[in-house]
Amino acid sequence: DGGITQSPKYLFRKEGQNVTLSCEQNLNHDAMYWYRQDPGQGLRLIYYSQIVNDFQKGDIAEGYSVSREKKESFPLTVTSAQKNPTAFYLCASSMGDGHYNEQFFGPGTRLTVL
Amino acid sequence: RKEVEQDPGPFNVPEGATVAFNCTYSNSASQSFFWYRQDCRKEPKLLMSVYSSGNEDGRFTAQLNRASQYISLLIRDSKLSDSATYLCVVSRYSSNTGKLIFGQGTTLQVKP
Repeated sequence: DGGITQSPKYLFRKEGQNVTLSCEQNLNHDAMYWYRQDPGQGLRLIYYSQIVNDFQKGDIAEGYSVSREKKESFPLTVTSAQKNPTAFYLCASSMGDGHYNEQFFGPGTRLTVL
Repeated sequence: RKEVEQDPGPFNVPEGATVAFNCTYSNSASQSFFWYRQDCRKEPKLLMSVYSSGNEDGRFTAQLNRASQYISLLIRDSKLSDSATYLCVVSRYSSNTGKLIFGQGTTLQVKP
């Protein structure tokens, strides 16, 4: 079954801790994306990667970091520098980086800072 | 002004009703347009792409008006299962990048 998986589904973090959210896809997609969704707001782009070993900042990259060492994997680290990290985090992938390509989403990770 | 604007609703309609959602976008250079559906506490899923000539998929019809920078989604014969949030999505630039802008969504509640 092809798709995108994210883990964990729910994550609780204490203030001052870094946490890493996992995103894996077996769709053989080149491009991958991380979004954040807050209640009543649209998705906002954190980071994206068009190819292995390359990634670009999105609109709200401050306090986050990513890596893209393998085509299938695009983990996101939420650092202690992120001031308001409680949100729903969504990972997506697309066949290419063209604007016409559908983005497929994983089930998301809900992060709560205690 | 937001780059993509939608009426958040909620739209409460009876089963069988026809309902229309509108969306405006600010960047005239946008090239691709989509409607995604998001169920409560779930990930967004593509409902349909929106083409310049307009397109239809069963009970769903999408229209694009580039001159007015306006996109619409029409749902006919609403079903209970259509209850969800509908996200208007627009590509950010004319260049070849997958960066998309998401509207905040319009919530639809279909009642029996």
